[in-house]
Amino acid sequence: GDSVTQMEGPVTLSEEAFLTINCTYTATGYPSLFWYVQYPGEGLQLLLKATKADDKGSNKGFEATYRKETTSFHLEKGSVQVSDSAVYFCALSPNYGGSQGNLIFGKGTKLSVKP
Amino acid sequence: DSGVTQTPKHLITATGQRVTLRCSPRSGDLSVYWYQQSLDQGLQFLIQYYNGEERAKGNILERFSAQQFPDLHSELNLSSLELGDSALYFCASSVRGTATNTEAFFGQGTRLTVV
Repeated sequence: GDSVTQMEGPVTLSEEAFLTINCTYTATGYPSLFWYVQYPGEGLQLLLKATKADDKGSNKGFEATYRKETTSFHLEKGSVQVSDSAVYFCALSPNYGGSQGNLIFGKGTKLSVKP
Repeated sequence: DSGVTQTPKHLITATGQRVTLRCSPRSGDLSVYWYQQSLDQGLQFLIQYYNGEERAKGNILERFSAQQFPDLHSELNLSSLELGDSALYFCASSVRGTATNTEAFFGQGTRLTVV
């Protein structure tokens, strides 16, 4: 079945460091890909998305490119801040002819940014 | 604030009991999703309703059931509770029944503890 694999954390970085969180997926057809962020004590928030190959999603300095050839959707940010400390989830939405909308999540990567 | 409201925020109950979790979607959203987040299984999709009808089913146990009412709020019923059912239960909503080109908004979750 469809699945998402993302790098295990925790990841600890100093402020202004470069961030990469790897995400690869297995899916039939052409899924949509997402990154969600969960701050402590809160629900998940959509960070960015890409719906077709070579699309680049971006938001708040974060970027991810939908790479069909490598089935990847790695999250990057050039300079992290303490406020970016959170758990990041890679997810896909299977494209079953548009009849379903559920998300399949990776296990999450906890990011801690130190001042 | 995502606009998705879940009640209660916390629930502590004994094994063998039955509980009901409630979700009010964002105004105008027709689709409701339920997810379970636990340390060992991560975020698992349980079930989706669209405009009152069941649309998709994931890893939902037979002891669990859900419904969506005419006013579009949804309830997740968990019965014969076991210790392993302790988890954070999230509700999400979206405008349409597919997440391909729309955003799913998550509530803050209900933390269920079974003792």
